[in-house]
Amino acid sequence: QVTLKESGPALVKPTQTLTLTCTFSGFSLSTSGMRVSWFRQPPGKALEWLARIDWDDDKFYSISLKTRLTISKDTSKNQVVLTITNMDPVDTATYYCARMGLYYQHDSWGQGTLVTVSS
Amino acid sequence: QSVLTQPPSVSGAPGQRVTIACTGTSSNIGANYDVNWYQQLPGTAPKLLIYSNSNRPSGVPDRFSGSKSGTSASLAITGLQADDEADYYCQSYDSSLSGVIFGGGTKLTVL
Repeated sequence: QVTLKESGPALVKPTQTLTLTCTFSGFSLSTSGMRVSWFRQPPGKALEWLARIDWDDDKFYSISLKTRLTISKDTSKNQVVLTITNMDPVDTATYYCARMGLYYQHDSWGQGTLVTVSS
Repeated sequence: QSVLTQPPSVSGAPGQRVTIACTGTSSNIGANYDVNWYQQLPGTAPKLLIYSNSNRPSGVPDRFSGSKSGTSASLAITGLQADDEADYYCQSYDSSLSGVIFGGGTKLTVL
């Protein structure tokens, strides 16, 4: 059974750096073909893809946020970490991680974590 | 503004059939990238409904079906049920953006 769970602060101040951790089980990111993505969803708005990391440590970022994002993995801990610098109130959203398959489909999702950016 | 275009809302009575369109361009759906569909119930994470245009993951009822043609894709739901009320998102890949893209979501109301 594949499970993913996001963790991180619920509240950050403007200009701070946000660090989110996705802890997963049921698969290994050292296995060929495995990939994990991060997404976000502002309240009442659509889903937005942020970043992806592959089993071979290839990394991909949303063009619009690329300068602010860093994704990394710790295979031994079954974790993927996303950092977002220079947080702004418009970054207030629920952040999700999910496992990605061969057809760019995301078949297992975490429950999401709501991050509010406010002073 | 989302890269893929979906109608903001659709509705139907119980038992009826509804379709949700997803329109893209030559750099995503039209470039032969697969379309995936997700159902998001209120307050929950998205759930994969259709992958690779028309395939259902295990456990998804065959009332849900997907198709793709040219630069567009479509999700059809037959035998509408009250618990189908949710937001539905299409998703693909865009070669110009080098990333995963979504539609703006469609809210399904069961009358």
